[in-house]
Amino acid sequence: GESVGLHLPTLSVQEGDNSIINCAYSNSASDYFIWYKQESGKGPQFIIDIRSNMDKRQGQRVTVLLNKTVKHLSLQIAATQPGDSAVYFCADSAGVALNFGKGTSLLVTP
Amino acid sequence: GAVVSQHPSWVICKSGTSVKIECRSLDFQATTMFWYRQFPKQSLMLMATSNEGSKATYEQGVEKDKFLINHASLTLSTLTVTSAHPEDSSFYICSARDQRLAGGMISTDTQYFGPGTRLTVL
Repeated sequence: GESVGLHLPTLSVQEGDNSIINCAYSNSASDYFIWYKQESGKGPQFIIDIRSNMDKRQGQRVTVLLNKTVKHLSLQIAATQPGDSAVYFCADSAGVALNFGKGTSLLVTP
Repeated sequence: GAVVSQHPSWVICKSGTSVKIECRSLDFQATTMFWYRQFPKQSLMLMATSNEGSKATYEQGVEKDKFLINHASLTLSTLTVTSAHPEDSSFYICSARDQRLAGGMISTDTQYFGPGTRLTVL
């Protein structure tokens, strides 16, 4: 992902709505992409991953979409819950090391 | 998912002392572990890649003599911050690579993160 700037963008959604978090990456050689959720004071928690031979992958309440043409990745969370409030990071890899994006803060309001 | 632990979860030390942080993969073996540093409201910055049985690979700008990494076994990597100073205060996070083969092909290749260690240097 692209890591620029010091301020996390924030997405505010109402409980029950769907959330879409977007991420851009810059390395056209990246072939593996992951979304992580990080709660305050904790380490990143794996959510879902996708390889470059796919453009969509679904998990439980989450869907990751990959558009390699424009180097864009998105995470969709269905029926967002208060427990989903956290910072979400995308990461891409062209080998072993992960390159993290700057993160998006998701705030779920009742 | 796989579990990675870190110890200690937080540490406060005096300037000039050294601090060791442990990272363990609890239910899988990891030939490769990673050490990250994270400042408040910022993303994770890769510091170094730790390879079992060989020297760590440091990212540009990370002092290898300052941040000593040892990956002595397939389940343990340690990061020692030597002669710590207040500017070393940060949240240090490790990850372990869970790579598994099935039928000669890679079936799993995911990084799992530890809970992080908050270092405060006075």
